[in-house]
Amino acid sequence: AQSVTQPDIHITVSEGASLELRCNYSYGATPYLFWYVQSPGQGLQLLLKYFSGDTLVQGIKGFEAEFKRSQSSFNLRKPSVHWSDAAEYFCAVKTNTGNQFYFGTGTSLTVIP
Amino acid sequence: ETGVTQTPRHLVMGMTNKKSLKCEQHLGHNAMYWYKQSAKKPLELMFVYSLEERVENNSVPSRFSPECPNSSHLFLHLHTLQPEDSALYLCASSEGGSGNTIYFGEGSWLTVV
Repeated sequence: AQSVTQPDIHITVSEGASLELRCNYSYGATPYLFWYVQSPGQGLQLLLKYFSGDTLVQGIKGFEAEFKRSQSSFNLRKPSVHWSDAAEYFCAVKTNTGNQFYFGTGTSLTVIP
Repeated sequence: ETGVTQTPRHLVMGMTNKKSLKCEQHLGHNAMYWYKQSAKKPLELMFVYSLEERVENNSVPSRFSPECPNSSHLFLHLHTLQPEDSALYLCASSEGGSGNTIYFGEGSWLTVV
């Protein structure tokens, strides 16, 4: 069965510091991979996605993610975090058949001045 | 992102009430979803409707009843709910098929008293 693991429940970083949020998945083939961000009381907004091709993908708000097949990972990165990046971040996986998306449990990001 | 619209945004209902959540997507998609998001818990897929399939999470109680009259509209009918059903209910849509992306609405906050 497909699964998504976000090992970090909560991360705190200083404003201006770099950020990496981890995501690992379990799936027999190459899945379609996504990162979403959720601000308090809001829905989930797509940050970026990987379907194929270049394994380093760029997203909105200065985020990027790298697909590493050998590690079954799709970690999200940002070189310099802004206070407005404080939110909940979700990694998601979709298989290449069907319409079901599988989400991780989320990582809550706190940004301190 | 205003492609997926949910109403109402907030709903308070008693355990004996009957109410409905409404979702409309303006993206031309042909798959729609209901997710439940409770505090400290992973996103829970409740229902998926698409041209190819209807998927139900067997753990969803029968007091939740979905209706999808066409590819643009999705309802979640609620009756005799319990306090533990209080949560954020997220509607989403996707193009359907492989390699697509899921887009979320802002969510409907439900409180059962």
